[in-house]
Amino acid sequence: AQSVTQLGSHVSVSEGALVLLRCNYSSSVPPYLFWYVQYPNQGLQLLLKYTSAATLVKGINGFEAEFKKSETSFHLTKPSAHMSDAAEYFCAVSVPSGGSNYKLTFGKGTLLTVNP
Amino acid sequence: SQTIHQWPATLVQPVGSPLSLECTVEGTSNPNLYWYRQAAGRGLQLLFYSVGIGQISSEVPQNLSASRPQDRQFILSSKKLLLSDSGFYLCAWSVRISNQPQHFGDGTRLSIL
Repeated sequence: AQSVTQLGSHVSVSEGALVLLRCNYSSSVPPYLFWYVQYPNQGLQLLLKYTSAATLVKGINGFEAEFKKSETSFHLTKPSAHMSDAAEYFCAVSVPSGGSNYKLTFGKGTLLTVNP
Repeated sequence: SQTIHQWPATLVQPVGSPLSLECTVEGTSNPNLYWYRQAAGRGLQLLFYSVGIGQISSEVPQNLSASRPQDRQFILSSKKLLLSDSGFYLCAWSVRISNQPQHFGDGTRLSIL
């Protein structure tokens, strides 16, 4: 069965520092992977997606993620954190749900705090 | 472009009262539709998903139900709310292709008193 594990429920960085949010996946088929961001009291916004093209995926707001099959990882990074990056981040994997339908399985989320 | 509307944004209801949350999608046809609940400090829990009108799949046994009366309308209901139904409810849609993401509404904050 497909699943994702986000290591670290809370990550704290200083403004200008590297952001690294970890996601490992488990999948019996080639996975499709996604990162979402959620600001307080808002819905989830898609940051980026991996769909078996380039292994290094660039997303919005300066974020990128690298798909590493050998490590079953899809970590999210940003070279320099901004205060506006403070939010909760979710990793997700696409899972077959019968027939030709799919649904997403989400990790439990990582809350990113950015300190001035 | 596609948009998803979810309302109300905030709702305070007494225990035992009924519930109806509505979600509509514009700019696409035959979407998959989803209802999630997000409890404080937890991740997202998929409650229901639908691949077509009248087709509802339930992920967890609970006090809630869902209906899809029209192609782009998805409704979450309850006959009698419990305290444990409090949370942040999110509606989402996607196209029916495995490598495409889900797109979320702004959510409804439901508080049960």
